[in-house]
Amino acid sequence: DSGVTQTPKHLITATGQRVTLRCSPRSGDLSVYWYQQSLDQGLQFLIQYYNGEERAKGNILERFSAQQFPDLHSELNLSSLELGDSALYFCASSVQGALDTQYFGPGTRLTVL
Amino acid sequence: GQQVMQIPQYQHVQEGEDFTTYCNSSTTLSNIQWYKQRPGGHPVFLIQLVKSGEVKKQKRLTFQFGEAKKNSSLHITATQTTDVGTYFCAAPYTGANSKLTFGKGITLSVRP
Repeated sequence: DSGVTQTPKHLITATGQRVTLRCSPRSGDLSVYWYQQSLDQGLQFLIQYYNGEERAKGNILERFSAQQFPDLHSELNLSSLELGDSALYFCASSVQGALDTQYFGPGTRLTVL
Repeated sequence: GQQVMQIPQYQHVQEGEDFTTYCNSSTTLSNIQWYKQRPGGHPVFLIQLVKSGEVKKQKRLTFQFGEAKKNSSLHITATQTTDVGTYFCAAPYTGANSKLTFGKGITLSVRP
C-alpha cells in the first residue's frame, strides 16, 4: 500500500459526459501528479500540482483540467469524453517535486462507451 | 523533447535465465529511477541512482547508472515468475516545466 488513494476504482460512462477522478496523496506529500496509461502507451504525464498550485504540464488535453485543494487532495476533471479517453488514470504523490520518488495510487480505470 | 528510451518494449525469457534491459537518454541525468508495474497493478518505486557508475542491488536485481549518467541498466539474475511485469525507468528533467519523464517500459514475461 503506497498511501495514495484514488476513487473511484472503475468508472464507466458514455461519450460526451464529464467525470471527476479523486486522489488523496500520502500524508506529508505536497506534490500530486496525474498520469494516463493506455494500452501500449506507457505512462503519459498530464499535470503536476505542488501545494495547491500548478507546477508542470504535460500532454493534457484542453478538455481535461485538474486542481489541488487546501487539504492537498486533487481532482482530475475529464469532459466531453471520447472513446479514446478510455484508459487507466494514475495519481502519484511526492514530498516535493520532480527529483523525488513518486508513490502511485491504485488507479482509476475509465471506460467510455 | 527530453525523453528516456527503453527498447525493446517486450521481452520473453525462460524461468532461470538472466535478463538485462537498458534505459538511455541523450542528455546527462541528475538521477534515474526504476519502477515496476505488475499486471493489473500500479507502478511501484524500486530504486534511485544518483552517482556516476553507481551500482545497487536488491536481491536478484542489479541496477547500474552509467559513468556519463546518460544510461542505466537493470539486470535480473535467474528470473522467476514473480519478476513478470513492466519495468519503467524515469528521469527528472529540470527547467521551466520540470517533471519526471518515464520511458515506455519493458514488459517482461517469464515462461515457467
